[in-house]
Amino acid sequence: RKEVEQDPGPFNVPEGATVAFNCTYSNSASQSFFWYRQDCRKEPKLLMSVYSSGNEDGRFTAQLNRASQYISLLIRDSKLSDSATYLCVAQLVSGNTPLVFGKGTRLSVIA
Amino acid sequence: DTAVSQTPKYLVTQMGNDKSIKCEQNLGHDTMYWYKQDSKKFLKIMFSYNNKELIINETVPNRFSPKSPDKAHLNLHINSLELGDSAVYFCASSHFGNEQFFGPGTRLTVL
Repeated sequence: RKEVEQDPGPFNVPEGATVAFNCTYSNSASQSFFWYRQDCRKEPKLLMSVYSSGNEDGRFTAQLNRASQYISLLIRDSKLSDSATYLCVAQLVSGNTPLVFGKGTRLSVIA
Repeated sequence: DTAVSQTPKYLVTQMGNDKSIKCEQNLGHDTMYWYKQDSKKFLKIMFSYNNKELIINETVPNRFSPKSPDKAHLNLHINSLELGDSAVYFCASSHFGNEQFFGPGTRLTVL
């Protein structure tokens, strides 16, 4: 079983749509969680951290459910520029430890 | 200025050769990492270095050896390259508790 699992997609949505990505992690000792974004042939970049209380950054909302070991990302009012692969990430211990990546969910926003 | 840089960006070589990939970060971070992203886009940790000491070494072949001449550099040397080594290799760095920044990646093709 993969440590971090995501639906690979692709998700093809029209501009303005709301889209939700889900992710589960297997290691209950994981402490920190993130969503990274990776554009085609580029490096991953941090989109946002994920907290149990939920957090919002503009059109993006992330949620963590530790009991279910479940993480979500909601994108509202999708833009063409949101087209990318979204990587769900867990970290065993906060700080300078490696990130454990899911395989990513590919999003294409269509005009 | 590029925060995390890697050279070369592309590397094409024959099986059996030995090659090195260089990574430099100018962020003053004390931990650096090497990740491998295979053809299925799965991003996985290979090594991490903290204060010039290897602190995690995942199950990678001993043909791969990280070398850190100083805190700002973590190079990856690969001996006897195999077809299965073809992938994109990403260097990253972080400072305790903060975001990991990734380099642009080195696309290695073994023929």
